[in-house]
Amino acid sequence: GDSVTQMEGPVTLSEEAFLTINCTYTATGYPSLFWYVQYPGEGLQLLLKATKADDKGSNKGFEATYRKETTSFHLEKGSVQVSDSAVYFCALLNQAGTALIFGKGTTLSVSS
Amino acid sequence: GAVVSQHPSWVICKSGTSVKIECRSLDFQATTMFWYRQFPKQSLMLMATSNEGSKATYEQGVEKDKFLINHASLTLSTLTVTSAHPEDSSFYICSARGPGQGAWEQYFGPGTRLTVT
Repeated sequence: GDSVTQMEGPVTLSEEAFLTINCTYTATGYPSLFWYVQYPGEGLQLLLKATKADDKGSNKGFEATYRKETTSFHLEKGSVQVSDSAVYFCALLNQAGTALIFGKGTTLSVSS
Repeated sequence: GAVVSQHPSWVICKSGTSVKIECRSLDFQATTMFWYRQFPKQSLMLMATSNEGSKATYEQGVEKDKFLINHASLTLSTLTVTSAHPEDSSFYICSARGPGQGAWEQYFGPGTRLTVT
């Protein structure tokens, strides 16, 4: 069945460091892909999405490119801030379009 | 933006008792609500999907008689864990979407931590 694998955390970085959180997927066809972010005490929020191969999603300085060759959707940010500390979830939309399938989440901790 | 709340944020109950978790959409009509369960260091697992006024659709392996879901209005869904046992201890998250929105356009609640002693 469909699944999402993302890198184990926690990821600990200093402010202004470069961030990469790896995400790969297994699915039938080419599903829409998403990154969600969960700040402490809050619900998950959509961060960015890509609906087809080679699409690049971007928001708040974060980017991810849909790579069908490597079935990947890695999240990147050039310069992280303390306020980026959160849990990041990679997800895909199932083939029926009825449900999201999530990875395990990666905790990012940024220190000043 | 759309806001979804959950109540309580955490609850402790004794084994054998039932506990109800509420999920509310505060500023939009939630025609569909989703209930997830998350174990430590694990992904969110979809338990069930409910449409307002209809019976919930449960994912394979989820006991519908144990996890009762009611979606009686466009702003409220409840999850009742019946005869709870320690293995039901988990983090429960609800999400909601409005009419005409895709399945990915979900607004998530902050979650409820259930501990069964």
